[in-house]
Amino acid sequence: GAVVSQHPSWVICKSGTSVKIECRSLDFQATTMFWYRQFPKQSLMLMATSNEGSKATYEQGVEKDKFLINHASLTLSTLTVTSAHPEDSSFYICSPGTGGTQETQYFGPGTRLLVL
Amino acid sequence: DAKTTQPPSMDCAEGRAANLPCNHSTISGNEYVYWYRQIHSQGPQYIIHGLKNNETNEMASLIITEDRKSSTLILPHATLRDTAVYYCIVRVESGNTPLVFGKGTRLSVIA
Repeated sequence: GAVVSQHPSWVICKSGTSVKIECRSLDFQATTMFWYRQFPKQSLMLMATSNEGSKATYEQGVEKDKFLINHASLTLSTLTVTSAHPEDSSFYICSPGTGGTQETQYFGPGTRLLVL
Repeated sequence: DAKTTQPPSMDCAEGRAANLPCNHSTISGNEYVYWYRQIHSQGPQYIIHGLKNNETNEMASLIITEDRKSSTLILPHATLRDTAVYYCIVRVESGNTPLVFGKGTRLSVIA
């Protein structure tokens, strides 16, 4: 299957700071990137969808000014949590879309964010 | 709204077959049945998917009923490493459509 990496794997930050999470598709070109988050004991929830070179589309209830997504290349997408608060503590997972060239969707290993 | 219904939890003895059911009574003709699993603190892992025929790979078998309203994922010889949350998802076969996760089934494999 496709290889997807995320960095960092975990991060602890102080309230009010910004955190950037990188997602790389290592062996294919991702025209689309899906970002999910998962709170403890809950399922994955789609946050936003980004397409390479264009603005991201956010799901209802997700603040676009707080969760900045950049998809500048076909192999790299970043999610920046701006002015993080403790309620932003979660498990963030990326998943590259393949534009229909692959029939399965693969996921990164996830980034655990803890905001103190 | 979730398009699939799964039991919240199941237990299985190590070495036995684990049969995980899923109901998807509103599935459309062009939607596939996908199964993923998530081991604690990891990203979801693809297991198998199918349209209407039964499928088998090195990880599992997928049995889809003739009316396609339900399916069963079979892990033929469960090991402790198979302990995870298993998600059954219906979706068109397109890399541009995100997977929508329900609550899944928490499978506990017991020694």
